[in-house]
Amino acid sequence: NAGVTQTPKFRVLKTGQSMTLLCAQDMNHEYMYWYRQDPGMGLRLIHYSVGEGTTAKGEVPDGYNVSRLKKQNFLLGLESAAPSQTSVYFCASTSGPQETQYFGPGTRLLVL
Amino acid sequence: QKEVEQDPGPLSVPEGAIVSLNCTYSNSAFQYFMWYRQYSRKGPELLMYTYSSGNKEDGRFTAQVDKSSKYISLFIRDSQPSDSATYLCASFVYNQGGKLIFGQGTELSVKP
Repeated sequence: NAGVTQTPKFRVLKTGQSMTLLCAQDMNHEYMYWYRQDPGMGLRLIHYSVGEGTTAKGEVPDGYNVSRLKKQNFLLGLESAAPSQTSVYFCASTSGPQETQYFGPGTRLLVL
Repeated sequence: QKEVEQDPGPLSVPEGAIVSLNCTYSNSAFQYFMWYRQYSRKGPELLMYTYSSGNKEDGRFTAQVDKSSKYISLFIRDSQPSDSATYLCASFVYNQGGKLIFGQGTELSVKP
């Protein structure tokens, strides 16, 4: 039982490049979330999903897109990376809104 | 102004000290309050979870919520070097997809 896994662990991009971050969970959770963590800002919600095929915007969605084609996977896309998107990205999942959110180990992204 | 405010510290205490970590929040609709612990270069893990006002104790940890003053506290008794981590308070509104609103996090260092 791996819990929540994230791929890749670290990535360096040049401004304007695109990439996709993959989150996978093996707990059969309905709800999945993408957060970014920046110094002094805590964790901020980018997008989330309450079930397969659904997505919704969070607090800081601009510059990102997401897809939830399979229940176990939640993809975060950057179409044209900007230096402001340099951050640590965390994925989380839960079985319900009142239940514990389980976080992945994070993806460190550096945009030059 | 963030909906959940937390002093980022850093906070340094000697081993065995009582630690008090605090947050304030502005959204009166918040009913569920959590403390997450995050070790360096790891994802956050749920530490304590309380509903509405009152205290909850788990071993050396006590979570306290005062809804009248919109104040959230976490107390750590007999602090240990292994408690050195960043502590994040969080809350959410039930009918909004379980979206967690995090404070900035307080970095705690417990010195042997």
